Amino acid sequence: GAVVSQHPSRVICKSGTSVKIECRSLDFQATTMFWYRQFPKQSLMLMATSNEGSKATYEQGVEKDKFLINHASLTLSTLTVTSAHPEDSSFYICSAVRDRSTDTQYFGPGTRLTVL
Amino acid sequence: GESVGLHLPTLSVQEGDNSIINCAYSNSASDYFIWYKQESGKGPQFIIDIRSNMDKRQGQRVTVLLNKTVKHLSLQIAATQPGDSAVYFCAENRAGGGADGLTFGKGTHLIIQP
Repeated sequence: GAVVSQHPSRVICKSGTSVKIECRSLDFQATTMFWYRQFPKQSLMLMATSNEGSKATYEQGVEKDKFLINHASLTLSTLTVTSAHPEDSSFYICSAVRDRSTDTQYFGPGTRLTVL
Repeated sequence: GESVGLHLPTLSVQEGDNSIINCAYSNSASDYFIWYKQESGKGPQFIIDIRSNMDKRQGQRVTVLLNKTVKHLSLQIAATQPGDSAVYFCAENRAGGGADGLTFGKGTHLIIQP
């Protein structure tokens, strides 16, 4: 159990357009999901914490108006990159927590975003 | 600022040998540490975790050691196999408990020589 999926796995878009990435917990309910960004040859950097039914909490330096997060249900969180630019090209990875008391985060397979 | 870091960016070992990947952390309030394995183009895969009230924890072919005195974490992989080739990240829980966003180390690329 504890499978997390992401869709799409890869997306290429034109500069100025918006892209939505979905993160789903397939076999458990996740009250909390996290969004990370990973540039090539670098580590994962936390972008925001997404709690079901409430506003996301963004890390310092992450623009909330650019990276819109919606956690509408216990199994789905979406990240929308608005007005994407080439510098937004990155690997976006989500994770989900089944039970806050256990701490373990299960990661999705990631979404490769390329902005032309 | 506080961070989690790794001593070696690349580690090359012979197939069958044991591997040791090291990690230093600076936040003494961290309560929970995790090792992840990431293959190229994929998301991180949970390997093993340890809480600050433990010094050692063993899994299948892997052992994590925690030295709180010097704020050091290590991952030992026994009898490394070609499938162990990947980037390994240590991560810490910043808040010292509960499900909060993780702070990741820089990563070590483990290369298995035939």
